[in-house]
Amino acid sequence: GAVVSQHPSWVICKSGTSVKIECRSLDFQATTMFWYRQFPKQSLMLMATSNEGSKATYEQGVEKDKFLINHASLTLSTLTVTSAHPEDSSFYICSVPPGTGLSNQPQHFGDGTRLSIL
Amino acid sequence: GDSVTQMEGPVTLSEEAFLTINCTYTATGYPSLFWYVQYPGEGLQLLLKATKADDKGSNKGFEATYRKETTSFHLEKGSVQVSDSAVYFCALGNTDKLIFGTGTRLQVFP
Repeated sequence: GAVVSQHPSWVICKSGTSVKIECRSLDFQATTMFWYRQFPKQSLMLMATSNEGSKATYEQGVEKDKFLINHASLTLSTLTVTSAHPEDSSFYICSVPPGTGLSNQPQHFGDGTRLSIL
Repeated sequence: GDSVTQMEGPVTLSEEAFLTINCTYTATGYPSLFWYVQYPGEGLQLLLKATKADDKGSNKGFEATYRKETTSFHLEKGSVQVSDSAVYFCALGNTDKLIFGTGTRLQVFP
């Protein structure tokens, strides 16, 4: 069964709306989760590392105020796209790593959220 | 820094053809290597992995061998099916983060 649950799977909304995407780790506790963005026919770009109980770590070029990340519990991280505009339309995917020091184990990915801003 | 270079697609094949998707990497230390597959409209699924030199990962008829001497992790399958049509990502794991290649779209026609 699924290890990571991401919700919603598809969002269509008007420009200026804020959209929240949830990522849940179903089988184990996750102190860290990753948020990726994928443009059509392109690779995944790491946006930020979500850290339970502390601030997220953003990759260079990613706007912190635009993409708010909250990792309030060991099983839930949320990404809020604030005041979304058409250029924010993309496929957003979260992942849960197996744990610190376990880089030889695969990450578990959510099914992604397709965000379309009109 | 660490990086992954993957052959550009799309790769178009007839059913039962042989598949190779090239992947090379640059990394410090001893990374793990992964192939992920993404079906249309879905997230990523792990296809196979290799954690050290000369390891061979395999799954669903796909194989890839971790070649340290050529810094490569090419994906192969002897006989592709229409259901294999998807985007394939080579990835490198050297810390908790993954570094992805650009992805290769595979289209298999009957």
